[in-house]
Amino acid sequence: AQKVTQAQTEISVVEKEDVTLDCVYETRDTTYYLFWYKQPPSGELVFLIRRNSFDEQNEISGRYSWNFQKSTSSFNFTITASQVVDSAVYFCALSEAYSGNTPLVFGKGTRLSVIA
Amino acid sequence: NAGVMQNPRHLVRRRGQEARLRCSPMKGHSHVYWYRQLPEEGLKFMVYLQKENIIDESGMPKERFSAEFPKEGPSILRIQQVVRGDSAAYFCASSPGFDNQPQHFGDGTRLSIL
Repeated sequence: AQKVTQAQTEISVVEKEDVTLDCVYETRDTTYYLFWYKQPPSGELVFLIRRNSFDEQNEISGRYSWNFQKSTSSFNFTITASQVVDSAVYFCALSEAYSGNTPLVFGKGTRLSVIA
Repeated sequence: NAGVMQNPRHLVRRRGQEARLRCSPMKGHSHVYWYRQLPEEGLKFMVYLQKENIIDESGMPKERFSAEFPKEGPSILRIQQVVRGDSAAYFCASSPGFDNQPQHFGDGTRLSIL
């Protein structure tokens, strides 16, 4: 069975601090996708990234970066120089990849509060 | 905006009434997924449909819940005889079903049961 664990329920940081959100996953699939989504206070889900299990290269997009470590089954998300607008709930998710049409399994989310 | 459209955005029902949630997938997408987000929880998969077919309903409660995706028109998630525990945000996602394209999510329907 697939499982995603986000051990940090809530994190508070002061603006401009760096923050890392942890994500650990379990799957028996050899190929899979990992995702991060942002849910701001307005409630919609904003897609941030999808990573294929074959691609362990770290990714950087502006202030966002992702560290995929297959050896530890982790896909951590770092926000550099955090801003108040980063305050949201962040979800890590997993799906198998061979068909691309399977449901996502979500973690319970980490609520990030960035204080000015 | 050619994104996934869900309506209504907010829905209030009294216990025992029926709730109908609609989802129009992105243009060109023939695969629809419904997820439920209980308060302070992550999203949980409910049902996966293609046009006129239910592919996977393993996450759907056996009673009172049903889903359809007709040949024409939006996908409908129907909850009969709602109870307080049905209060949640219901998200719909769609994908084209090929090329391993990711799912795109709608803004959700917030269902409140009085």
